[in-house]
Amino acid sequence: EAQVTQNPRYLITVTGKKLTVTCSQNMNHEYMSWYRQDPGLGLRQIYYSMNVEVTDKGDVPEGYKVSRKEKRNFPLILESPSPNQTSLYFCASTPLERIAYGYTFGSGTRLTVV
Amino acid sequence: AQTVTQSQPEMSVQEAETVTLSCTYDTSESDYYLFWYKQPPSRQMILVIRQEAYKQQNATENRFSVNFQKAAKSFSLKISDSQLGDAAMYFCAYRKKRTDKLIFGTGTRLQVFP
Repeated sequence: EAQVTQNPRYLITVTGKKLTVTCSQNMNHEYMSWYRQDPGLGLRQIYYSMNVEVTDKGDVPEGYKVSRKEKRNFPLILESPSPNQTSLYFCASTPLERIAYGYTFGSGTRLTVV
Repeated sequence: AQTVTQSQPEMSVQEAETVTLSCTYDTSESDYYLFWYKQPPSRQMILVIRQEAYKQQNATENRFSVNFQKAAKSFSLKISDSQLGDAAMYFCAYRKKRTDKLIFGTGTRLQVFP
């Protein structure tokens, strides 16, 4: 089944403890992106990647890192999480030739930083 | 900068009735794409309908249709014959042509009553 898989689905962590949220897609999509969803703010883009080894900042990149060493994987790294990073995170992907048609989203990761 | 506004945080509708969700956007572009995404309690982001700005004809997908008013920068979603499964958060989104980023509104929570 074609899908975007995020892990974990839920995560509670403490301030300052490094964590990684994984994202993997099995559709050979070039483009991948991370969004965070917060009440009253909708979804905002954190980082995106047009292809392997090509990443760029979105609108809210502070406190996050990403890497794209393989086409299928696009992990989101929080080196020193803080409570203001408590949010619902989505990974999304699309083939570049169909970028006008919207994304395929993962199921989301609910992160709580205490 | 482009913005997307959903002025109705919550809406409700009776089963089998019709409901319209509002969305306005601000852009100086002439060619772009507009989307409605549905987010049920499962958190999955599901593409409901898509509109290309250069097409005057309103998009339709089964019970879902849009009223696209380009001059007014309005993109409302009409759900006909509402069903209990339509209960969800609905997000309006905009993408400028030849860019990757989706810009989301803040969402409208739709309740459907039997």
